[in-house]
Amino acid sequence: NAGVTQTPKFRVLKTGQSMTLLCAQDMNHEYMYWYRQDPGMGLRLIHYSVGEGTTAKGEVPDGYNVSRLKKQNFLLGLESAAPSQTSVYFCASSTRSGTLRGYTFGSGTRLTVV
Amino acid sequence: GQQLNQSPQSMFIQEGEDVSMNCTSSSIFNTWLWYKQDPGEGPVLLIALYKAGELTSNGRLTAQFGITRKDSFLNISASIPSDVGIYFCAGQNYGGSQGNLIFGKGTKLSVKP
Repeated sequence: NAGVTQTPKFRVLKTGQSMTLLCAQDMNHEYMYWYRQDPGMGLRLIHYSVGEGTTAKGEVPDGYNVSRLKKQNFLLGLESAAPSQTSVYFCASSTRSGTLRGYTFGSGTRLTVV
Repeated sequence: GQQLNQSPQSMFIQEGEDVSMNCTSSSIFNTWLWYKQDPGEGPVLLIALYKAGELTSNGRLTAQFGITRKDSFLNISASIPSDVGIYFCAGQNYGGSQGNLIFGKGTKLSVKP
């Protein structure tokens, strides 16, 4: 099983450029999440989705947009990248309750904005 | 919002030593989870705890759900070099914010061979 797949794995952007990070899961999970990980800050929730066509803001949503057009995909967009968005981004998915096995994470996208 | 205090932030130990780390919260959780993140990878679930007072083992790892439901600890016995990584605790409440996990900031473990 592939689990949660994130593309790309690495990317360097110039300030002001836009990009979309793709997350795909093949476990038929209802919930999907985008986190960013910065040194000493742990994992911070950006946006999440509880089902196809629905999204909600997390702890640090500013500067990001998301879409969940298909159940298996969750896209994270940066419309105008800023150096403060340099980070490692993780996508995760879970069942409706998320309790039995917690979240399944992808292997991350390392983004550098110069 | 809810926050988890995870300690220590980092540990440097000798191979063979035991390790202990913990998480505390000002509010109660229904579930406590412990994740490990290897360098360059995403977090992977190690142990899940569902009842106050529960003690669960996974090989050399042992975790407990505090009786007050506000804390949890993780012990690693006889550490080996592949234990290196970042360990995260996470708490969850059913129904709040669709059951989103709240993560600690992690404990970075380094093991000297």
